[in-house]
Amino acid sequence: EADIYQTPRYLVIGTGKKITLECSQTMGHDKMYWYQQDPGMELHLIHYSYGVNSTEKGDLSSESTVSRIRTEHFPLTLESARPSHTSQYLCASRSREHSYEQYFGPGTRLTVT
Amino acid sequence: AQSVTQPDIHITVSEGASLELRCNYSYGATPYLFWYVQSPGQGLQLLLKYFSGDTLVQGIKGFEAEFKRSQSSFNLRKPSVHWSDAAEYFCAVGAGNSGNTPLVFGKGTRLSVIA
Repeated sequence: EADIYQTPRYLVIGTGKKITLECSQTMGHDKMYWYQQDPGMELHLIHYSYGVNSTEKGDLSSESTVSRIRTEHFPLTLESARPSHTSQYLCASRSREHSYEQYFGPGTRLTVT
Repeated sequence: AQSVTQPDIHITVSEGASLELRCNYSYGATPYLFWYVQSPGQGLQLLLKYFSGDTLVQGIKGFEAEFKRSQSSFNLRKPSVHWSDAAEYFCAVGAGNSGNTPLVFGKGTRLSVIA
């Protein structure tokens, strides 16, 4: 069982609000990822990190930002939420020590009104 | 760069029937290959993986997949589908080196199971 957590699981928020989606893993994985996924659709990689103080943009342009100050924590922030940000956000992690198996969190369902 | 194609967007099978979900990949060297399953509103769960060795790999929930290098395929199979198998299935490929390159996921195949 993977130990990767996301909070909140569901969030409804008004336009213009600043939000932070939390992601934590207790497996000591160096690589972490954020994906955006609309219901029943494909995954889009929006951010990833190779380790502490490393962040990279993914394939899909996103107005969100991320930080990686601690190995276990990889939060995603939206400075000003818009209805177009409504989606599911999935966090994942992997490492060489776990044969590069990628583990996913349960996701955060974000609705911006 | 790696790429993954899942040719079937949606498949419907009868409960108890066999299942095969197709996955084709593009990568110049030996890839790492994965199958994931996603239930509605949930994260992805790893079903099985191929790194090297035996080309037929067994996974959880009675699934298996076969790596065929000549066909660049990694198809997922199950001999008898249960209603609880209805979900979205994703194939993914990773570069078989340092693991620094993010996994590339296919667009997914939705499986419906009818009585």
